Amino acid sequence: AQRVTQPEKLLSVFKGAPVELKCNYSYSGSPELFWYVQYSRQRLQLLLRHISRESIKGFTADLNKGETSFHLKKPFAQEEDSAMYYCALRSPSNTGNQFYFGTGTSLTVIP
Amino acid sequence: DGGITQSPKYLFRKEGQNVTLSCEQNLNHDAMYWYRQDPGQGLRLIYYSQIVNDFQKGDIAEGYSVSREKKESFPLTVTSAQKNPTAFYLCASSSGGNRVTQYFGPGTRLLVL
Repeated sequence: AQRVTQPEKLLSVFKGAPVELKCNYSYSGSPELFWYVQYSRQRLQLLLRHISRESIKGFTADLNKGETSFHLKKPFAQEEDSAMYYCALRSPSNTGNQFYFGTGTSLTVIP
Repeated sequence: DGGITQSPKYLFRKEGQNVTLSCEQNLNHDAMYWYRQDPGQGLRLIYYSQIVNDFQKGDIAEGYSVSREKKESFPLTVTSAQKNPTAFYLCASSSGGNRVTQYFGPGTRLLVL
């Protein structure tokens, strides 16, 4: 069964400190993973996807198939990074794409 | 933002009542989804639709129903069979191809009176 696990419900870091939000997955095929972010009073939106290997707002995430992880990292946290972060996995099938989301991590960056 | 609208923003349901949540998109996306968001549980898939006139159950479809008569619309009905309907409901649509991206609506909060 497909599963996405985010072990931390809450995470607090000081401004300027490194931040890492953990995500582990279980999937039988070749996974496609995403990080979504929800800022206060805003819609859930895509932050980044692993196949793009991009850095968005200073965040990066590397897919580690050996550890089945897709941790989100930023070297220097900013106050505006405070938000809810969700890790998600896409599971294609002949009936369409299903997306499985983790339970989310609420990040607070302390000034 | 934009492209996907959900209405109403807040909805109240009485015991035994069916209520319908609206979701409309003008992104020309084929696929649409309904999720339920509860504190500490993340997003759970209720139903999804890959094309018009076709939809599939997600992980928590019991007590819900949907229709997909038009590409741009995917309404969700919360029936009286759903015993714990109080939640935040999110609608999404997605593009196709190799870079499938989901776009989310602003959500509807359903409360039981």
